[in-house]
Amino acid sequence: EPEVTQTPSHQVTQMGQEVILRCVPISNHLYFYWYRQILGQKVEFLVSFYNNEISEKSEIFDDQFSVERPDGSNFTLKIRSTKLEDSAMYFCASSLGAGRSSYEQYFGPGTRLTVT
Amino acid sequence: GNSVTQMEGPVTLSEEAFLTINCTYTATGYPSLFWYVQYPGEGLQLLLKATKADDKGSNKGFEATYRKETTSFHLEKGSVQVSDSAVYFCALSRTGANNLFFGTGTRLTVIP
Repeated sequence: EPEVTQTPSHQVTQMGQEVILRCVPISNHLYFYWYRQILGQKVEFLVSFYNNEISEKSEIFDDQFSVERPDGSNFTLKIRSTKLEDSAMYFCASSLGAGRSSYEQYFGPGTRLTVT
Repeated sequence: GNSVTQMEGPVTLSEEAFLTINCTYTATGYPSLFWYVQYPGEGLQLLLKATKADDKGSNKGFEATYRKETTSFHLEKGSVQVSDSAVYFCALSRTGANNLFFGTGTRLTVIP
């Protein structure tokens, strides 16, 4: 069964450093998402991406964040200058379509980002 | 705004016990409601969903009914197994929107 993969599973970085989290969505999916979960808190939506542009983003997704689909398979989340409060589990997801509940979002296992 | 409030965990049950994990929501309009499950080392997987009031979602012995009057979507299973040990997330999506609003997740451990 096709699945969403994410690398690395755990990333440790120093405050102020740039970090890139990578995701390989399911191959025929068209919509891509990033969510994050700070320890003990809710899973929060960050951004959705379709047709090579951001379709929706949350208040969390400020200028420090960017997303890119650099080739036909990868979907990346870049944090330009990490802060301690960026420490969280980051989940990538993809779906065949969007805007209707019939389009299930498939999630990756997550990347745990630790900023020291 | 839109939000989901989920029962605090962790929950520990003996095998074959009855499970309820409470979930209530706040939303504008008519959201769709979901339960996702995350097994150790894996991504969140859709467990069941309901798209309108009084709908019942069911899968793998789990059930949840969309109750508009109480704004709830409680997850139930009549007889849990050790293999049900996982983290369960309640979520909603707004009509026509892409993003999901999640609860904090409830960790369930089933002991033999």
